[in-house]
Amino acid sequence: SYELAQPLSVSVALGQTASITCGGDKLGSKHVHWYQQRPGQAPVLVIYRDTNRPSGIPERFSGSNSGNTATLTIARAQAGDEADYFCQVWDTRSASWVFGGGTKLAVL
Amino acid sequence: EVQLVESGGGLVQPGGSLRLSCVASGFTFDDYAMHWVRQAPGKGLEWVAGISWNSGSAGYAASVKGRFSISGDIAKNSLYLQMNSLRPEDTALYYCVKDEGGAYSYGNPFDYWGQGTLVTVSS
Repeated sequence: SYELAQPLSVSVALGQTASITCGGDKLGSKHVHWYQQRPGQAPVLVIYRDTNRPSGIPERFSGSNSGNTATLTIARAQAGDEADYFCQVWDTRSASWVFGGGTKLAVL
Repeated sequence: EVQLVESGGGLVQPGGSLRLSCVASGFTFDDYAMHWVRQAPGKGLEWVAGISWNSGSAGYAASVKGRFSISGDIAKNSLYLQMNSLRPEDTALYYCVKDEGGAYSYGNPFDYWGQGTLVTVSS
């Protein structure tokens, strides 16, 4: 089955830029979605189809996807950005949705 | 405002059954595919099942295929998950999730999530 690999944790200094990667075979040929999950809360969609932001998501959040890696970038990181972030794709071969294992973002 | 409210979770013994429900509001229910996604304590997200109302088709994760069944009642704006032959590894918070589009398998994002209902499988 298809697998998505994310780093367990990423840390970023307050006000700096954080990058969270998501790796998978030929990932650039798929559409990647990203979710933010704050402690004790349900996930929230922050980036869809690689680069698009839903309404209400700050412009500080952006995404890219090429080759075997998709990246979620959070500019000017704030304390409120501390959360778990999950990438997601639809795998046609297994006819199932796949999530990455999640990355815990710490804002120092 | 879109709202998804799950219910039906609880403690069940291994081998037992449970039926989860989700009541939706704030959108035209049968225009959008729906999903169940679960999260074991301290773990990541796992897609469980999805359903498309127009085609009547449904899909399942390999880990639950043959044991779980997703269905709905359009008139009641409700989504269900019938869970049979439950195992300890099915212990998780189960989220009801709205798809952005009408088909669960078109790769559309999940744009709204409920708060979840907790299922614990233990003797």
